[in-house]
Amino acid sequence: DARVTQTPRHKVTEMGQEVTMRCQPILGHNTVFWYRQTMMQGLELLAYFRNRAPLDDSGMPKDRFSAEMPDATLATLKIQPSEPRDSAVYFCASGLGGDYSYEQYFGPGTRLTVT
Amino acid sequence: AQSVTQLGSHVSVSEGALVLLRCNYSSSVPPYLFWYVQYPNQGLQLLLKYTSAATLVKGINGFEAEFKKSETSFHLTKPSAHMSDAAEYFCAVSSNRDDKIIFGKGTRLHILP
Repeated sequence: DARVTQTPRHKVTEMGQEVTMRCQPILGHNTVFWYRQTMMQGLELLAYFRNRAPLDDSGMPKDRFSAEMPDATLATLKIQPSEPRDSAVYFCASGLGGDYSYEQYFGPGTRLTVT
Repeated sequence: AQSVTQLGSHVSVSEGALVLLRCNYSSSVPPYLFWYVQYPNQGLQLLLKYTSAATLVKGINGFEAEFKKSETSFHLTKPSAHMSDAAEYFCAVSSNRDDKIIFGKGTRLHILP
């Protein structure tokens, strides 16, 4: 049963610290998405990749957030320095792209709390 | 530009009653439309999708949705609610021009015993 995995599942950190979240997309999927979910804003697209190339990161605060795909099996989302307003659940999703782009498979999320 | 509007952030129905969750979309090109479900402490899961084939789409867990172009709607229904249907439901829209999906704000479905 292929699944998107995310680590860590929970992270509590102090303001100013660096946070790195990791995602392993489903093997063979060529698109990867990072979303942030909060009560106030709902589900927001932060960035997405196709074939490891960043296609759109317009939803991401550029000064503190960065997203990369070092290889096809790993996507990372980094926040440096973290702030309390970054507290949210961060989801990674992967898909086949192209004609199957609507099939996005979500990971369980990383719940981030910045104090 | 594409967008979806979900009417009602919370909907309560009695167990066994009809479930109706409303979604209206806006799209300048023929849309792809989806419903996703999110159970507590989990990621989103695809319930069903419309991709320009049959206008009545059947999904998992007894849910279905009907694409109505004249009304720009894609409402989600289930004839008889079950306690296990309690979750948050997201309507979403995409096009065949890129890989992005635009999600609505979500509707939390409560099932009353």
